[in-house]
Amino acid sequence: GAVVSQHPSRVICKSGTSVKIECRSLDFQATTMFWYRQFPKQSLMLMATSNEGSKATYEQGVEKDKFLINHASLTLSTLTVTSAHPEDSSFYICSVGRENTGELFFGEGSRLTVL
Amino acid sequence: AQRVTQPEKLLSVFKGAPVELKCNYSYSGSPELFWYVQYSRQRLQLLLRHISRESIKGFTADLNKGETSFHLKKPFAQEEDSAMYYCALLYNFNKFYFGSGTKLNVKP
Repeated sequence: GAVVSQHPSRVICKSGTSVKIECRSLDFQATTMFWYRQFPKQSLMLMATSNEGSKATYEQGVEKDKFLINHASLTLSTLTVTSAHPEDSSFYICSVGRENTGELFFGEGSRLTVL
Repeated sequence: AQRVTQPEKLLSVFKGAPVELKCNYSYSGSPELFWYVQYSRQRLQLLLRHISRESIKGFTADLNKGETSFHLKKPFAQEEDSAMYYCALLYNFNKFYFGSGTKLNVKP
């Protein structure tokens, strides 16, 4: 069964609105979750590391005020795209890493379309 | 700077033919490399990692530090191998750089 569940799988919103994407770790508690972004025909780019009970760590070039991350429990991390613009349209994927193995388990991804 | 390079966006082979998906990396430390696969309409999943030196679904990959490569190979491709393949480099304990991916198309 799935280790990581992501919701919603698709969302369409108007420019200027905010969108929240949830990522749940189903099989084990995750102090750390990862948010990736994937543009069409391009690689996955790490956006940020979500840390349970503390602030997320953002990669260089990622606006933390634009992409709000909350990791309130050991099984749930949320990514909120604030004041979305068409250029934010992308495929967002969360993942959970199993400690000591380096293996990542991925959510099914969320396709955001901003009109 | 790009850390993982997959030079081929698309690779088409006939069923039963050998296949090699190329991956080169650039990393100053001791690399840990993985191959992830995404079948149609499915999520990304781990295929294999170099430290385990295992063969999964007939695929193998050898880390060549001299050539900084981690090419994925299979002697006889099957139609069900058609998928997107991503080479990934683990860095900073728990973060990954991903290559741009290679789409493998195995023709009947």
